[in-house]
This record gives sequence, structure tokens and C-alpha cells, in this order.
Amino acid sequence: NAGVTQTPKFQVLKTGQSMTLQCAQDMNHEYMSWYRQDPGMGLRLIHYSVGAGITDQGEVPNGYNVSRSTTEDFPLRLLSAAPSQTSVYFCASSYQAGWGAATEAFFGQGTRLTVV
Amino acid sequence: KNEVEQSPQNLTAQEGEFITINCSYSVGISALHWLQQHPGGGIVSLFMLSSGKKKHGRLIATINIQEKHSSLHITASHPRDSAVYICAVRSPYEGATNKLIFGTGTLLAVQP
Repeated sequence: NAGVTQTPKFQVLKTGQSMTLQCAQDMNHEYMSWYRQDPGMGLRLIHYSVGAGITDQGEVPNGYNVSRSTTEDFPLRLLSAAPSQTSVYFCASSYQAGWGAATEAFFGQGTRLTVV
Repeated sequence: KNEVEQSPQNLTAQEGEFITINCSYSVGISALHWLQQHPGGGIVSLFMLSSGKKKHGRLIATINIQEKHSSLHITASHPRDSAVYICAVRSPYEGATNKLIFGTGTLLAVQP
């Protein structure tokens, strides 16, 4: 049971390049999400998905695209990288909680992205 | 003002000391999570709680729903406990989503 697997672990991009951060989970979780972590700030939600074929924007979606074609995979695409996207990115997954409930969150190992 | 506030932001302790990290929040919640992040590493869930107290090894988490406050305690601290500890809450008003609101973290360094 691998949990949540993120690749790559490190990446350097030039401004204007595009790339895809991969995220896969093997726990059959409905809910998957992408966060970015910046110094002095809490993790901020970029995009999330409540199931295959369903995605929605989070707090900081600009410059990022996502898709959810399968339950297992939730890739994050940077369309045209900018220095402001230099950050640590985390993918997370969990079972879908109902109203007023909560479920444990599982996180990937993170991707450290530098845009020069 | 952040909806989730942690204190202290930085904490240095000597090995063996009892450590307390605090988390206060301003929204109604359905659950509170304590997470651990080692330097350069991923994020691991330590606790999820909605009331009372939970214990796992040397770690204890408590929550007071009325006061909107939670504490994470580490007994007999060890250098391997050095990490960032993050508090996160889930609001029941987010409906069917599992959105979390995160604190900025507490950086703990335990010196031998």
C-alpha cells in the first residue's frame, strides 16, 4: 500500500515552461486536492476533486489546471510557469466525508518547484 | 486575522522536556488535525479529533470545542521530534468537500 505518491520530488523550470506534477493514490479515496506551501503561510488549496470527472477551484487556482480522469490520479498542470509559482506542492487524499463529518487526510511527499 | 493561529511559531527545547504547542481557531469545526512535517519531507497526519483527548505514544492531543482551542503535547521530547507541527481544521460549512484550513505551523527543534 503506497499511499499518496507524488512525482517529481524536485523540479527547476524556466519562466514560461509548462509541466505536470503527478499525484496518485491507491486507497480508493474520492477526495483529492493540491496545496502549495510558502514560507510564513499555511498550506493553501489550489484545486480539488470530489471524484472522477469532478474538479473545482480552491483558494489560489490561477496558473494551474487539473483533471481527474480516474479515481487514482490527480495531476496538476502549470501552464506557463512564473517565478511566483516557486513553492512546495503537496497532493492529499481522503475518503469523502459527509456533512459535519471528517476523515483523515493523507499527504504525498511534496514537490519542490523552483521557477527561474 | 488568520482563522487558525498557532503558538509559538518557533520552539527550541532540550531533550527530555515536556513540550506544548497551541492552536486556536475562529470558525466552527467538525474536526481538527495535527500534522507533522520533517525538514524537506512530506506531511504525516498525527491526530484527527473532534472532542476530548487522544494519545499515541509520547504524543497527546487535546481539544476544547467551547474555547476553540487545541494543544499538542510531547512528553520526554527527543531530537527526532524536531519538525514543523501544523494544525488544520475542517469546517462543517464546507459541505461535501473535505477542505482544510491550515495554521502556519510551529517549528520545533529538540537539542540533545
